[in-house]
Amino acid sequence: GESVGLHLPTLSVQEGDNSIINCAYSNSASDYFIWYKQESGKGPQFIIDIRSNMDKRQGQRVTVLLNKTVKHLSLQIAATQPGDSAVYFCAENSGGSYIPTFGRGTSLIVHP
Amino acid sequence: GAGVSQTPSNKVTEKGKYVELRCDPISGHTALYWYRQSLGQGPEFLIYFQGTGAADDSGLPNDRFFAVRPEGSVSTLKIQRTERGDSAVYLCASSSGTGPSGANVLTFGAGSRLTVL
Repeated sequence: GESVGLHLPTLSVQEGDNSIINCAYSNSASDYFIWYKQESGKGPQFIIDIRSNMDKRQGQRVTVLLNKTVKHLSLQIAATQPGDSAVYFCAENSGGSYIPTFGRGTSLIVHP
Repeated sequence: GAGVSQTPSNKVTEKGKYVELRCDPISGHTALYWYRQSLGQGPEFLIYFQGTGAADDSGLPNDRFFAVRPEGSVSTLKIQRTERGDSAVYLCASSSGTGPSGANVLTFGAGSRLTVL
């Protein structure tokens, strides 16, 4: 079917490697960030979130790092698996807003 | 329901026609969102409901787009006089309002793919 990843920045890794997906944001008022994973033909799915009063948060095989000085967010996936292949979006909320703003996304391709 | 349900999953229509897209959110979720996603892009906000009322409709591109949620559950996105540029995947999401960090996490449906010929 149609690929959500078309025209997106792409990261290709080998199974078992660690992956790092980056996201830059521009709104200095953003105080809450979420990473979503979107597989082909599906809606985005929550992975992990972080508030602006934290620099790092860990989940199962995933870690999010936040650098507010340079307005940069990263998602680290340990021991990447073929099932991790998807498009990954960062989303931000600011000033108590309930409406997340999504970035453009990065396509992750995991080769067995 | 167990998840957010959207119908139809695919809709092909002709330019100038009227379409309705339906969203059935997770039971008990008071917040409901509509986003639009074009190929190779992230979801773009359209409208946000809190209960029955549209709390923020600033993302609707023009007056051909309208959404309702009359009983605070199911929502319908309505597009009049469709144009080829309306072709996209329309995503619906709902939220209970809090996530692991105490803020807003959205649960998305699979989307309705609209193609305007």
